[in-house]
Amino acid sequence: GAGVSQSPSNKVTEKGKDVELRCDPISGHTALYWYRQSLGQGLEFLIYFQGNSAPDKSGLPSDRFSAERTGGSVSTLTIQRTQQEDSAVYLCASSPSADEQFFGPGTRLTVL
Amino acid sequence: GQNIDQPTEMTATEGAIVQINCTYQTSGFNGLFWYQQHAGEAPTFLSYNVLDGLEEKGRFSSFLSRSKGYSYLLLKELQMKDSASYLCAVRGSGGSYIPTFGRGTSLIVHP
Repeated sequence: GAGVSQSPSNKVTEKGKDVELRCDPISGHTALYWYRQSLGQGLEFLIYFQGNSAPDKSGLPSDRFSAERTGGSVSTLTIQRTQQEDSAVYLCASSPSADEQFFGPGTRLTVL
Repeated sequence: GQNIDQPTEMTATEGAIVQINCTYQTSGFNGLFWYQQHAGEAPTFLSYNVLDGLEEKGRFSSFLSRSKGYSYLLLKELQMKDSASYLCAVRGSGGSYIPTFGRGTSLIVHP
């Protein structure tokens, strides 16, 4: 079956613009995570969705970041008024349970 | 809070054995993961330890000691394709299923 997919694979934008990153999780997976990874750094947790529960937004670095998950499936991460420090690879992962996470290929965001 | 420590980089020879250590201090404990990440690719799951002891899976084994806040990933019969970053991630307690990742250990396997 299909794995986790993310789009776009690469995004170059100008400082101050808004961007939307999309994640399609594996069908049936109730949990969905967003992380970002800067060069040489570990994965930084951003937000977590579990079923119909309220998302855990504790990792979002500022109010410029938001995410939603429609119908318990597709998720969109939105970054408003992008800054150069937002440049990173944004990874999405889904999970059927509390165990292993299945990661998508990521979106490489470059803010000029 | 969560604190996870791994060596930044290790090198080893093809065919050898390498042990990558991970120590952690977390608010409670609810499982430890190891992931492999090749350059430019997404992390892929290797192992998940909840109880103390060694779990073997082919050439890879993972060990956990909860009392010591310590885990290691053991790679045997190293191959060139094992050159990658190895990420240790710990899930704390309190009902949260969000693992905290270490910075990863970059393993370089040379001939």
